[in-house]
Amino acid sequence: DIQMTQSPSSLSASAGDRVTILCRASQGIDNFLNWYQQRPGKAPRLLIFSAYTLQSGVPSRFSGSGSGTDFTLTINSLQPEDFATYYCQQSYGSPYTFGQGTKLEIK
Amino acid sequence: QLQLQESGPRLVKPSETLSLTCTVSGGSISTNNAFWGWIRQPPGKGLEWIGTIHYSGGTDYRPSLQSRVTLSVDTSRNQFSLTVNSVTAADTAVYFCARLSRVSTADYWGQGTLVIVS
Repeated sequence: DIQMTQSPSSLSASAGDRVTILCRASQGIDNFLNWYQQRPGKAPRLLIFSAYTLQSGVPSRFSGSGSGTDFTLTINSLQPEDFATYYCQQSYGSPYTFGQGTKLEIK
Repeated sequence: QLQLQESGPRLVKPSETLSLTCTVSGGSISTNNAFWGWIRQPPGKGLEWIGTIHYSGGTDYRPSLQSRVTLSVDTSRNQFSLTVNSVTAADTAVYFCARLSRVSTADYWGQGTLVIVS
């Protein structure tokens, strides 16, 4: 299985800040990388697919980059609704594994 | 707007079978370029992909669960289903059904249903 490792596991920030979350794959996955946001008690929401393509309806303050094994999710100008847990997922090969999650908390 | 809704028993005894159904509304399950899948999340933990099915019947399972998991589809009811045999406490989780575009990207999700094995 392809292992996905996110860092940090948790992150404190303030509204208006810019934050970056890292995701590393145990082998090269080209750009087959998705990012999801999950608020407490809710289903995950697709933010970005294919490493950098914004899903319809997702605000442009979210952006993704990377290819191969190293990827980043950047959120500019944090809004109150952005405080949630974020997961990366590789869509390169079955089983389609997720990272362990990064919890973004209010400082 | 596509909507998915999980249904099924919330409490299952150890060694018995967990069965869930996902009802799709606002669109057809019989779409060539869409796949349908199940993802679970143990309480307080991360996400785990279980398996994927196409309306034609093709399936793909997580290897560690393959011996106990079956996915099926009922196009007449616009539903797909998950069964997990011989459950243990480790199968306690919120189970989500999802539409998978590009085979493995979950772009529509059900609200999730907590299944407790006890």
